[in-house]
Amino acid sequence: QKEVEQNSGPLSVPEGAIASLNCTYSDRVSQSFFWYRQYSGKSPELIMSIYSNGDKEDGRFTAQLNKASQYVSLLIRDSQPSDSATYLCAVKPSGGGADGLTFGKGTHLIIQP
Amino acid sequence: DTGVSQDPRHKITKRGQNVTFRCDPISEHNRLYWYRQTLGQGPEFLTYFQNEAQLEKSRLLSDRFSAERPKGSFSTLEIQRTEQGDSAMYLCASSLDGTGQFFGPGTRLTVL
Repeated sequence: QKEVEQNSGPLSVPEGAIASLNCTYSDRVSQSFFWYRQYSGKSPELIMSIYSNGDKEDGRFTAQLNKASQYVSLLIRDSQPSDSATYLCAVKPSGGGADGLTFGKGTHLIIQP
Repeated sequence: DTGVSQDPRHKITKRGQNVTFRCDPISEHNRLYWYRQTLGQGPEFLTYFQNEAQLEKSRLLSDRFSAERPKGSFSTLEIQRTEQGDSAMYLCASSLDGTGQFFGPGTRLTVL
């Protein structure tokens, strides 16, 4: 069974610091990786996608992918109270017509003012 | 540019009744997905369509569940003979050719 693992938290980070969120996945042939942010009572919002090993930066967000270690991470620089949310890691399998994402349970992030 | 819309936003039903949800994807998106999310869990994939063809179904999609996308635009998800375990948020997402999936606001189902 394909699995995506995240530490559920809560992860508490002071305002202005770097928040680091981690995710591991079991399906070695996975090729597409996504980070979603979900506020309480709302639906997931896509914030980052990454497909190749290395770093991808978008504003205050940096996604990091290491396929050899089956590890994906999300860094949030200059954390703001509005970043407090649950962050979901999602993985898409490779090929075979499969397109459904497998999600982790999410990490609850709290930014302390 | 409007996002994904879902209707209704909330549905309360009695056990044994049938319910139907509707999803309207982002207009240029050809792929449409259904997920289910319960409290404290990430979304669980149910099924997806490319245009009008249903290409993938999860083991979670029991025979009480059926989904359609008759003209490759909006989609419906029907649950027959609802059970209390069906209570969840039902999320619809769409994408263009399998790139990032964008979610609608969801339909919260409560089965009494």
